[in-house]
Amino acid sequence: SQTIHQWPATLVQPVGSPLSLECTVEGTSNPNLYWYRQAAGRGLQLLFYSIGIGQISSEVPQNLSASRPQDRQFILSSKKLLLSDSGFYLCAWSVTRGGETQYFGPGTRLLVL
Amino acid sequence: QKEVEQNSGPLSVPEGAIASLNCTYSDRGSQSFFWYRQYSGKSPELIMSIYSNGDKEDGRFTAQLNKASQYVSLLIRDSQPSDSATYLCAVSGGGADGLTFGKGTHLIIQP
Repeated sequence: SQTIHQWPATLVQPVGSPLSLECTVEGTSNPNLYWYRQAAGRGLQLLFYSIGIGQISSEVPQNLSASRPQDRQFILSSKKLLLSDSGFYLCAWSVTRGGETQYFGPGTRLLVL
Repeated sequence: QKEVEQNSGPLSVPEGAIASLNCTYSDRGSQSFFWYRQYSGKSPELIMSIYSNGDKEDGRFTAQLNKASQYVSLLIRDSQPSDSATYLCAVSGGGADGLTFGKGTHLIIQP
């Protein structure tokens, strides 16, 4: 069966510091991978998605970036965090056909102070 | 811009009753529809998916889709206190891009 991991689970970072969040998927090959952010009182916002190694699509202009160095690894990064980057970051995967069900990881709760 | 609308609630339902959750979407080209349940502090988990007009039943849950009215609903029969959570409606256009989510309805089942 498929499993999705995210770490760290929680993170407190000062404004202006860098960020690296990691997501890995087990039990499937060539998945579509997604990063979402859920801010307090707001819905889930799609940040990035990837259909393959090195292929990243950005949905929202911001100071975040994503990379997919391996088939089942997806990384979310920032060079300098803003207060507005605080939120619950969720990684999700789906099969490659598109339009299919997405399954979420446990999430990383980020607080920028 | 694709939009998914849900009543934020809270929706309070007595234990054992039917809870009815509703969702409307703006993109007529949407092809896939999902309901996720999210407990406080946790990530969303899939409850139901529906792709064609009509009803789809899975245990105590029934999803209903009306593409002409751009309307999706979720019925929970015999509601239990453990059903208390935020329910997220999500819509996909069928491509590899992500889902568009509503902000969710907070459901409270009163014992």
